Amino acid sequence: AQSVTQLGSHVSVSEGALVLLRCNYSSSVPPYLFWYVQYPNQGLQLLLKYTSAATLVKGINGFEAEFKKSETSFHLTKPSAHMSDAAEYFCAVSEKGAQKLVFGQGTRLTINP
Amino acid sequence: DAGITQSPRHKVTETGTPVTLRCHQTENHRYMYWYRQDPGHGLRLIHYSYGVKDTDKGEVSDGYSVSRSKTEDFLLTLESATSSQTSVYFCAISGGTGVFTGELFFGEGSRLTVL
Repeated sequence: AQSVTQLGSHVSVSEGALVLLRCNYSSSVPPYLFWYVQYPNQGLQLLLKYTSAATLVKGINGFEAEFKKSETSFHLTKPSAHMSDAAEYFCAVSEKGAQKLVFGQGTRLTINP
Repeated sequence: DAGITQSPRHKVTETGTPVTLRCHQTENHRYMYWYRQDPGHGLRLIHYSYGVKDTDKGEVSDGYSVSRSKTEDFLLTLESATSSQTSVYFCAISGGTGVFTGELFFGEGSRLTVL
């Protein structure tokens, strides 16, 4: 069965610092992988997705993620954090041919001024 | 923004009462989903639909039923609400009229409190 594990339920960084949110997946077949973001009192929105094309995926708001099959990882990064990046971030996986997403537990990102 | 409307947005009810949450879309998307969001658990799939009258269970379907009689509406019913069903419920849609791509569009959520 497919699943994702997000390491760290809370991450705190200073404004301008590197953001690194970790996600490891488990899937018996090559997966599709996603990062979603949720701002307070809103639904989730897609940041980026990996669907077996380039392993380095660029998303919105300066975020990117790299698919590493050998490490079964899909970590999310941003070189320089901005106050507006404060939100909860969810990694998700879908197997090819599936019609649903399985989400991780979420990581709450706090940005310190 | 995708045209997704959830109703009600907030509801307080008592244990043992039936509750129905409605998700309405104006995008003609094929796939519709109900997730619940709880601290420490992320989003967990309750039920989903891949077409009118075509539904399937997710990972936390016990105590919930769904119906989809029209493309635009997906109803989630708690036949007899329990306190463990206190949660924020999100509807999502995907896929346009064709293949599932994994890009979900979410509603704004329905906060349900069961006393």
